[in-house]
Amino acid sequence: DAKTTQPPSMDCAEGRAANLPCNHSTISGNEYVYWYRQIHSQGPQYIIHGLKNNETNEMASLIITEDRKSSTLILPHATLRDTAVYYCIEGSKSTFGDGTTLTVKP
Amino acid sequence: DSGVTQTPKHLITATGQRVTLRCSPRSGDLSVYWYQQSLDQGLQFLIQYYNGEERAKGNILERFSAQQFPDLHSELNLSSLELGDSALYFCASSVVPHGTGAGGYTFGSGTRLTVV
Repeated sequence: DAKTTQPPSMDCAEGRAANLPCNHSTISGNEYVYWYRQIHSQGPQYIIHGLKNNETNEMASLIITEDRKSSTLILPHATLRDTAVYYCIEGSKSTFGDGTTLTVKP
Repeated sequence: DSGVTQTPKHLITATGQRVTLRCSPRSGDLSVYWYQQSLDQGLQFLIQYYNGEERAKGNILERFSAQQFPDLHSELNLSSLELGDSALYFCASSVVPHGTGAGGYTFGSGTRLTVV
């Protein structure tokens, strides 16, 4: 399985937007991009997914580049409870990479 | 409560032993996935079942096996346990095989296995 590429760690100030990038250059034309997060030792939680258009839900926004080779997950107003490991994965793949550890600081 | 039920939550056993982990998927979900997460490691995909049939295999050891029953619950069997098998084991379910846009995985809260 091709793996996505994410920075290993990021910091964000509480109340500010957190922008988490992901490269998925091998994604197929009909595959969705999925984002999940895992708060320490809990089961991963689905956040959002998208194909071509930008998506928004109550948790986050997802911006996908026109060539679909990368995407950015946006948490508009990060809170301390958003501290977690964030994973992006290509549609049909079951493999999670190492993700990005986001630390939200007061 | 995610709707995916894993039992037991904690399990302590000795090396060489065999254990069975159980997963009940969210109502309506046909696909079940098993993952292993060792301490401070990422999620390692083990195996996937869809409607009772094995669909995909990841880095699953020969000492490990799984199955999905007609009522769609799944069991992961771990035998000849070693200290290195100590980990969190997560089950996830989805309506259809992952990636079709119908929504993502729903994960259970995991089984923490400690081999002593």
